[in-house]
Amino acid sequence: EVQLVESGGDLVQPGGSLRLSCTASGLTVSSDYMSWVRQAPGKGLEWVSVLYAGGSTYYADSVKGRFTISRDNSRNTLFLQMNTLTAEDTAVYYCARGGGAYCGNDCYRTFDYWGQGTLVTVSS
Amino acid sequence: QSALTQPRSVSGSPGQSVTISCTGTSSDVGGYNYVSWYQQHPGKAPKLMIYDVTKRPSGVPDRFSGSKSGNTASLTISGLQAEDEADYYCCSFADSNSYVFGTGTGVTVL
Repeated sequence: EVQLVESGGDLVQPGGSLRLSCTASGLTVSSDYMSWVRQAPGKGLEWVSVLYAGGSTYYADSVKGRFTISRDNSRNTLFLQMNTLTAEDTAVYYCARGGGAYCGNDCYRTFDYWGQGTLVTVSS
Repeated sequence: QSALTQPRSVSGSPGQSVTISCTGTSSDVGGYNYVSWYQQHPGKAPKLMIYDVTKRPSGVPDRFSGSKSGNTASLTISGLQAEDEADYYCCSFADSNSYVFGTGTGVTVL
């Protein structure tokens, strides 16, 4: 059974930094596509970033240059380093499996497993 | 990367059908057959309901179906049930290896 558990959410001041973690079981982070998706309070979902098994990374324009996605293979853990935070970054951050193309005879793209999320609040 | 456009809310009585639209552009919905739909109950994580426009993951009831025409994708829930009351989000793969979600639609079972 796949489980994704996020941690690291906190209250941080504008301009500050925070690192989120997503510890996985039932899948191998280093050989899968792993993404971060966020949801501001009372708002919709927003894709943030993806890390491919091969190491390629992609980001939403809203976080490019400020956020960095990475992983620790030995801990089977995904990270999101967030710098220069603003109030607009306040959200629940979800870790999800997916974001790349899974190809056999066909290719498909999904976010099929999700964690329960961790809350980041940016406020003075 | 503007959010895909969904109606704010739809409603139906038990047993009826409802359809949720999801409108994007040729850079996302219209350009790729990688539209997925997610159900989210209050305080819960999203759940995958449809992927690649029309495919249903194992365990999702067959009363959920998806389609696409041009820049607009749709999710239809047939035989509406009380447990279907939730928020629904579409999502599309987009140019530059990115993804864009829809604005979200609240489904109310009357």
